[in-house]
Amino acid sequence: DAMVIQNPRYQVTQFGKPVTLSCSQTLNHNVMYWYQQKSSQAPKLLFHYYDKDFNNEADTPDNFQSRRPNTSFCFLDIRSPGLGDAAMYLCATSRDLTGVQDYGYTFGSGTRLTVV
Amino acid sequence: AQSVTQLDSQVPVFEEAPVELRCNYSSSVSVYLFWYVQYPNQGLQLLLKYLSGSTLVKGINGFEAEFNKSQTSFHLRKPSVHISDTAEYFCAPRSNDYKLSFGAGTTVTVRA
Repeated sequence: DAMVIQNPRYQVTQFGKPVTLSCSQTLNHNVMYWYQQKSSQAPKLLFHYYDKDFNNEADTPDNFQSRRPNTSFCFLDIRSPGLGDAAMYLCATSRDLTGVQDYGYTFGSGTRLTVV
Repeated sequence: AQSVTQLDSQVPVFEEAPVELRCNYSSSVSVYLFWYVQYPNQGLQLLLKYLSGSTLVKGINGFEAEFNKSQTSFHLRKPSVHISDTAEYFCAPRSNDYKLSFGAGTTVTVRA
């Protein structure tokens, strides 16, 4: 059974139209991460939540925001998507920040975002 | 976050042949090291990890990797590949600032 679930698998949005990607987990992990992976590139960390504490990477554009209303769910909001934001967005979880407990970092299947 | 180098971007290999994917990381301090596999349009799946102890780590699907601290390397190997091993492979060290860095990836294409 999938432990980190991302919906939808594929999302098409219009240039400049806000879009929200969803991630849920059944592992009860404390940390949830969002990565952006552009075509043929390595995943790049955007931000993470440790419980309710939000931690933004220094080079994450302001256009990207996140919400974590409870332990199980985390959302990625893109306020005004540009063509350059087309990518696969990966959600991951870990029990703690060390990433070495349980399954380590567990990734979802990703949401592929297309901007038209 | 530290940098990580995957020395081969593309590795074509015939079925049942061995494969080695090379990974070097920049730091000389103790790190935790992971290898992930990504099948087309899928998320990342953990192949194996090195935390401490034996430098030879065995993972899923017949993969293994060897941690070499003096050479700051963590190369991935499989003695005999299958068509189903066609995928993208990422080396990912997690350094002391708790950040997981990913290499650029190595695309393995297994041919019959």
